[in-house]
Amino acid sequence: AQSVTQLGSHVSVSEGALVLLRCNYSSSVPPYLFWYVQYPNQGLQLLLKYTTGATLVKGINGFEAEFKKSETSFHLTKPSAHMSDAAEYFCAVSGPNAGKSTFGDGTTLTVKP
Amino acid sequence: EAGVTQFPSHSVIEKGQTVTLRCDPISGHDNLYWYRRVMGKEIKFLLHFVKESKQDESGMPNNRFLAERTGGTYSTLKVQPAELEDSGVYFCASSYTSGKGNEQFFGPGTRLTVL
Repeated sequence: AQSVTQLGSHVSVSEGALVLLRCNYSSSVPPYLFWYVQYPNQGLQLLLKYTTGATLVKGINGFEAEFKKSETSFHLTKPSAHMSDAAEYFCAVSGPNAGKSTFGDGTTLTVKP
Repeated sequence: EAGVTQFPSHSVIEKGQTVTLRCDPISGHDNLYWYRRVMGKEIKFLLHFVKESKQDESGMPNNRFLAERTGGTYSTLKVQPAELEDSGVYFCASSYTSGKGNEQFFGPGTRLTVL
């Protein structure tokens, strides 16, 4: 069984500030972890993923996430927020095959000028 | 390369009516998934096709939902008869079985409103 908890349904930061979106997971098998972003009226776009290997994963648009097995966490960060980062972000976990993904509730990021 | 497409983008129907959603995956992707997001909650898995076979349909809520993927290409999801609680956004995703992590590519979703 797998589950994902995203802490904070809404996060607000100022432009230029650090973005930190929290994700904790549980999985009975080695997890594959994903962050997706959804802009209004669009589908989910993959930001980054962790499968195996290096635990610090870099993605698109300057985002990165670190897989911490001991903490069962996969938090998403970006050093400096841009207005264009305003969107909804989803953390997801799946197993090491082509099976389903389990998603968190999503976190809406607001960026203030 | 075209992405995952879904039709229609929006559908408004009355309780008791039938609606059919369509998903065209990325060409060559053997895996096709349906997910649903209801009332701003989490995105929930409905089912997974590998080619034309249902690999996992554990998320299908009840027998009012019927999914098909004839020929292993596009898929349809029929809701008959629709109920109020079926309202939500239905996402389709596809992936290629590569053994390098299951990166699923999502369509824009179909927003279904049942009145």
